[in-house]
Amino acid sequence: DQQVKQNSPSLSVQEGRISILNCDYTNSMFDYFLWYKKYPAEGPTFLISISSIKDKNEDGRFTVFLNKSAKHLSLHIVPSQPGDSAVYFCAARSTGANSKLTFGKGITLSVRP
Amino acid sequence: DTGVSQNPRHKITKRGQNVTFRCDPISEHNRLYWYRQTLGQGPEFLTYFQNEAQLEKSRLLSDRFSAERPKGSFSTLEIQRTEQGDSAMYLCASSLGTSGLNEQFFGPGTRLTVL
Repeated sequence: DQQVKQNSPSLSVQEGRISILNCDYTNSMFDYFLWYKKYPAEGPTFLISISSIKDKNEDGRFTVFLNKSAKHLSLHIVPSQPGDSAVYFCAARSTGANSKLTFGKGITLSVRP
Repeated sequence: DTGVSQNPRHKITKRGQNVTFRCDPISEHNRLYWYRQTLGQGPEFLTYFQNEAQLEKSRLLSDRFSAERPKGSFSTLEIQRTEQGDSAMYLCASSLGTSGLNEQFFGPGTRLTVL
């Protein structure tokens, strides 16, 4: 049972445009959400996070939006750059679960020059 | 390099053999996690240590799997009598703090192939 779902396996955007990566979750106990970026042959790298008490968190070109009622979050990258091409994982955790992360399957983002 | 390191990076073994992986976390990090990632999936939680205490194990961690963190620093993950289904990327992560709310830093992983 996938508690964190990334239903689109891939996304291709033009350099300079916006990339929107979506994520849905089913577990109401999740109260903290993270996005990780992964290049081939490397481990996941933390990108940005959001607490369930917020609906938006921004860090430079990256913004994460959280809609608790819809159990949906999205990562916006503006403007997209070729170096952003990677696999992006949505992850979630609940504070009562020893902070283990539950990951989605990932989305492969390709930014075309 | 002060990040999380894992050794070996790649391991090829025959079915039935035992393998052991090592993870060296960031030095001051007291929490250490093991995850497994198979093709087309995200990382899945296996087990977690706070200092030397193993506080949680996933149902994915069968009796053939054992993890240790004897001095609260590096950790080892051993798989006995490997099966082809054990082929995966094994990821280690570490974090600092007692609340568990701090970011987890991942190592590059050990890719296991069981023939």
